[in-house]
Amino acid sequence: SQQGEEDPQALSIQEGENATMNCSYKTSINNLQWYRQNSGRGLVHLILIRSNEREKHSGRLRVTLDTSKKSSSLLITASRAADTASYFCAPRGSGNTPLVFGKGTRLSVIA
Amino acid sequence: DTAVSQTPKYLVTQMGNDKSIKCEQNLGHDTMYWYKQDSKKFLKIMFSYNNKELIINETVPNRFSPKSPDKAHLNLHINSLELGDSAVYFCASSQRTGTGELFFGEGSRLTVL
Repeated sequence: SQQGEEDPQALSIQEGENATMNCSYKTSINNLQWYRQNSGRGLVHLILIRSNEREKHSGRLRVTLDTSKKSSSLLITASRAADTASYFCAPRGSGNTPLVFGKGTRLSVIA
Repeated sequence: DTAVSQTPKYLVTQMGNDKSIKCEQNLGHDTMYWYKQDSKKFLKIMFSYNNKELIINETVPNRFSPKSPDKAHLNLHINSLELGDSAVYFCASSQRTGTGELFFGEGSRLTVL
């Protein structure tokens, strides 16, 4: 299965702090994607990292990928209350099978 | 313009009824999906479909069926609704070749009484 597993399941931090979420997967990948889901909304694509990349930045987001450990992390710096959401990772293999999601990490940023 | 739109947003119905949820995408993508998110927020793939291939998650009951009148639409039909079908159903689309990035609709919350 190409499903990613996010850790921790829930994370509560103060506004301005950094939030780190981890993702582990089991099979070889072509890329790994992170998505955010605000309460009552659909998932929104945040950032993608390819298998030959080790780190990628986008605004306050930083993603790392360690293919030897089959793990990825998502760092949100200087968190804001608006970052409160669930975050999902989705490893993508080389085939055309659909992305499979784990249970996500529920991030609460307290103002 | 909404990229992936689903209707209805909310649907309340009785057990045993048949219902449909519609999905349309205006992104020109060739592949569309249905996902089910249960009360514990676990998001499960139900179907993926392009004009050549339908991939069905084997755990999905055959009361659920996707219908695609054209490349831009993938509707979800559910027969003989059961209490356990209550969930939020998400439609998504992507381009088969490429990164596989998914674009999601806002979801359709189905409540079966």
